[in-house]
Amino acid sequence: EAGVAQSPRYKIIEKRQSVAFWCNPISGHATLYWYQQILGQGPKLLIQFQNNGVVDDSQLPKDRFSAERLKGVDSTLKIQPAKLEDSAVYLCASSYGESETQYFGPGTRLLVL
Amino acid sequence: DQQVKQNSPSLSVQEGRISILNCDYTNSMFDYFLWYKKYPAEGPTFLISISSIKDKNEDGRFTVFLNKSAKHLSLHIVPSQPGDSAVYFCAASDDSNYQLIWGAGTKLIIKP
Repeated sequence: EAGVAQSPRYKIIEKRQSVAFWCNPISGHATLYWYQQILGQGPKLLIQFQNNGVVDDSQLPKDRFSAERLKGVDSTLKIQPAKLEDSAVYLCASSYGESETQYFGPGTRLLVL
Repeated sequence: DQQVKQNSPSLSVQEGRISILNCDYTNSMFDYFLWYKKYPAEGPTFLISISSIKDKNEDGRFTVFLNKSAKHLSLHIVPSQPGDSAVYFCAASDDSNYQLIWGAGTKLIIKP
């Protein structure tokens, strides 16, 4: 069974630029999560989708971050414009349902200069 | 306000000995606890979990103990192996929304 795929693996941008991350969850997983992990901290949930609907985006900085999961499968997370403090690893995870075990992709490491 | 705390940023253990990783939580509504393991440049992988109705769960070399009165859980790895060197995250959730709240992680180093 293929795992959660993410791209790109690394991205370096300058502040005020925009960037987008892509995630392909495990086939059949209805729930998809985007996390932000700052160095030395645990992952922090940004947004949770159930199929193509948003379950929780309370910690998503909506003035600059956006995410979509149009067909209930792949998802993209966008930052526009980026700030220095957005430097982090962005992890995508998926699960069969919201109470099930979450499986993580390798993450995208973002550096904002 | 950190609801899940892992107070040891790192831990060094001799190969073959027991590794004990600790985690404390403050939210008494948490009823499900998980440990994830993370290697560099990879995402976290699920290791073991425990429900609040239990005080112990075992899976091979890994055992998780839960002390609800102390709001404390620990992960025991016996015997420790070189491949166990990784960052271990404790996470917790409650049944109102199942969202995981994560600790900051403990880096485990297994010495030969």
